[in-house]
Amino acid sequence: KQEVTQIPAALSVPEGENLVLNCSFTDSAIYNLQWFRQDPGKGLTSLLLIQSSQREQTSGRLNASLDKSSGRSTLYIAASQPGDSATYLCAVVLSGGYNKLIFGAGTRLAVHP
Amino acid sequence: DAGITQSPRHKVTETGTPVTLRCHQTENHRYMYWYRQDPGHGLRLIHYSYGVKDTDKGEVSDGYSVSRSKTEDFLLTLESATSSQTSVYFCAISDLAGDTEAFFGQGTRLTVV
Repeated sequence: KQEVTQIPAALSVPEGENLVLNCSFTDSAIYNLQWFRQDPGKGLTSLLLIQSSQREQTSGRLNASLDKSSGRSTLYIAASQPGDSATYLCAVVLSGGYNKLIFGAGTRLAVHP
Repeated sequence: DAGITQSPRHKVTETGTPVTLRCHQTENHRYMYWYRQDPGHGLRLIHYSYGVKDTDKGEVSDGYSVSRSKTEDFLLTLESATSSQTSVYFCAISDLAGDTEAFFGQGTRLTVV
């Protein structure tokens, strides 16, 4: 059974720091991996999608990498801002169809001025 | 933002009553999903649909049923609500075979008293 783990569970940093959020998964037979952001009381916003054949994806200050063989992905946030404060969720889609997502429990990030 | 609307957004109901949550999409995506989000468990898949009248169970399907009579609508029914079904419910959509991102609705907060 696929399990997804995110470390750390919570993180508090001063503004301007570069951050690394970690995601690991137990079954390397994934179709893709997706990073989401969730603000309190809100839905999930997709940040980056990495296909299993890709090594990384970038969007603005965000960079996500994928190492399928070791079962790991990292989300790098450059020059963090208070507006980045949110919970970040990683989810994998297993090979085999239907695009069902299996989520980690998330990393709760607080960036203070 | 992807066109996904969940209704109602908030609901309080009594134990033993049936409850139906609605998800409506305007994106014509093939796949639709219902997840629940609970502290300590992250998001877990309840049911999903891969086409009109084509549905299947997810990880936590006991006590829930679904229906999809039109591409745009996916209904989740709690047949007899219990306190353990107090949760935040999210609808999601995706298209094709994992080549595109999943998009989420804003969620329905359900309280069973």
